[in-house]
Amino acid sequence: EDQVTQSPEALRLQEGESSSLNCSYTVSGLRGLFWYRQDPGKGPEFLFTLYSAGEEKEKERLKATLTKKESFLHITAPKPEDSATYLCAVQAGTSGSRLTFGEGTQLTVNP
Amino acid sequence: NAGVMQNPRHLVRRRGQEARLRCSPMKGHSHVYWYRQLPEEGLKFMVYLQKENIIDESGMPKERFSAEFPKEGPSILRIQQVVRGDSAAYFCASSSSERTEAFFGQGTRLTVV
Repeated sequence: EDQVTQSPEALRLQEGESSSLNCSYTVSGLRGLFWYRQDPGKGPEFLFTLYSAGEEKEKERLKATLTKKESFLHITAPKPEDSATYLCAVQAGTSGSRLTFGEGTQLTVNP
Repeated sequence: NAGVMQNPRHLVRRRGQEARLRCSPMKGHSHVYWYRQLPEEGLKFMVYLQKENIIDESGMPKERFSAEFPKEGPSILRIQQVVRGDSAAYFCASSSSERTEAFFGQGTRLTVV
């Protein structure tokens, strides 16, 4: 069974204080690892897809990296508008197209 | 290019009634997925459809739940004889192929009273 574990569950940062969110996964044949951002009352917003170990993707203050067992979402000099829940999901070769999500990291950035 | 459209955004049903949730995928997308998010829980896969076909319904409860994606019109998730435990946010997502990223709608929040 595919499993995704995100840590920490919640993270409070001061504006400008860089940090990283972790996503550990166990799957049979990773096809892709996805990061989403979800604001309260909204649907998940796509951020990145990573397909193989060593791959990195960047977008503004966010950078996602992937190893064979985990992915990190690095947030550099965050701003209050980066406050949201960040979701990690995997797509496995034995599970077809469905995504298995972690429970998310709730990030709060204080001004 | 409009995103994934879901309606209604909020739906209140009494126990025993039927709930119908609609989803129009992004233009050019023929793959539709439904996920459920229970309060204080993560997103859980329910069903994957392509036009006129159910590809994977392994996450769908065996009773009372059904889904379709007809040749014309939106995808429909139907819940018959709703119970309080069905109260949740239901999200639809679409993608252009099996391996590309899925884009989510804003969800339908179902409340069963």
